[in-house]
Amino acid sequence: QSALTQPASVSGSPGQSVTISCAGTNRDVGIYDYVSWYQQQSGKAPKLMIYDVSNRPSGVSSRFSGSKSGNTASLTISGLQAEDEADYYCSSYTTSSTLVFGTGTKLTVL
Amino acid sequence: QVQLVESGGGVVQPGRSLRLSCAASGFMFSSYGMHWVRQAPGKGLEWVAVISYDGKNKFYVDSVEGRFTISRDSSKNTLDLQMNSLRPEDSAVYYCARSTQSLTPPDYWGQGTQVTVSS
Repeated sequence: QSALTQPASVSGSPGQSVTISCAGTNRDVGIYDYVSWYQQQSGKAPKLMIYDVSNRPSGVSSRFSGSKSGNTASLTISGLQAEDEADYYCSSYTTSSTLVFGTGTKLTVL
Repeated sequence: QVQLVESGGGVVQPGRSLRLSCAASGFMFSSYGMHWVRQAPGKGLEWVAVISYDGKNKFYVDSVEGRFTISRDSSKNTLDLQMNSLRPEDSAVYYCARSTQSLTPPDYWGQGTQVTVSS
């Protein structure tokens, strides 16, 4: 049950695009399309941004997109805005019928 | 709208027990799997446990297996987490969250309840 691996931090200027990676194994990310991404603002509960690798819930900006290649999933945020500054976590279903979260990435908008 | 409201957190001594509850509303509770996820101060999210929509399947992270028990009462739309033999490393904000489908990653989350294990 090791955490999925994410970069500790990423940054970008307003208007730019950033991509956050989420590296797993063939027991989680690599075998299932049940990968979700969450945004967590300071002191608040996580908010679902992407589910099932690349689907956006209603109300989430189209600037957020997800993808997967092999054992690594990715979240891309285009047209960065100041309000995007937050912590981001990935999560995947596993072959043990459990969930695993990523280590988390702090996004800074310069 | 979907609402999840946790309660039962507090300060407890190591080795003691605590029971968390989550009141669900705004959706058909009996049709969804439910999770508990925790977050220690300044740390990342850690999945704790999941229960299937019918209560028949339950899974836990290794570190709480045998100490924590997840349960649900679909007649009351409540989710519980019984925590025994608590350790300082169990200190965290505990969130209940609804699964998108079956046991998969959650979509809606509660606001969390703080658990502090300290002598």
